Amino acid sequence: EVQLVESGGGLVQPGGSLRLSCAASGFTFSSYWMSWVRQAPGKGLEWVANIKQDGSEKYYVDSVKGRFTISRDNAKNSLYLQMNSLRAEDTAVYYCAREAPFGDGMDVWGQGTTVTVSS
Amino acid sequence: QSALTQPASVSGSPGQSITISCTGTSSDVGSYNLVSWYQQHPGKAPKLMIYEVSKRPSGVSNRFSGSKSGNTASLTISGLQAEDEADYYCCSYAGSSTLNWVFGGGTKLTVL
Repeated sequence: EVQLVESGGGLVQPGGSLRLSCAASGFTFSSYWMSWVRQAPGKGLEWVANIKQDGSEKYYVDSVKGRFTISRDNAKNSLYLQMNSLRAEDTAVYYCAREAPFGDGMDVWGQGTTVTVSS
Repeated sequence: QSALTQPASVSGSPGQSITISCTGTSSDVGSYNLVSWYQQHPGKAPKLMIYEVSKRPSGVSNRFSGSKSGNTASLTISGLQAEDEADYYCCSYAGSSTLNWVFGGGTKLTVL
């Protein structure tokens, strides 16, 4: 079964750090671009970052540039999001998602992990 | 870069058809046939319903269809069913070195 499972969310103070993980199974992880997408409470979806199959290209939404770092370990079938200098507005459910080839949408999603930034 | 524009809500009765619009710019929707649509039920992860403007993934009902004209994409759901009640999001490739994907603000579909 194709599956993505996120972990690492929690409560963190403003200015703090958190590292999210996404474990992939059931498909050849190293063959796909991967994305992180977040959803603030009661709000819509927001693309956060993505990474190429070999990690050589990474892109970020402006609001997280310089604070978040996306990475992957293809040997461990895992995707990561290192989040530093967290702000209240980063509070959200964070989903990892597989990008289908040729830009054909995000076809596999995890169940999400919740990040709450609050003092 | 701003989110794509969707109506906040739409509604329809069982059996009817509804259309949700998604308006972007010449930098995203208007430039690429890489518009996708996602269905999200409360507390659940999004599900891909349409990709490349009008293609359906395996397993998605043919009651769901997509189209695009200029900077506006549309999702049409025909033969509305109670289980279609959900939030729907459009998404477009933006092709920028700083922003790969942009989502719409979401549309709440209510089946009356």
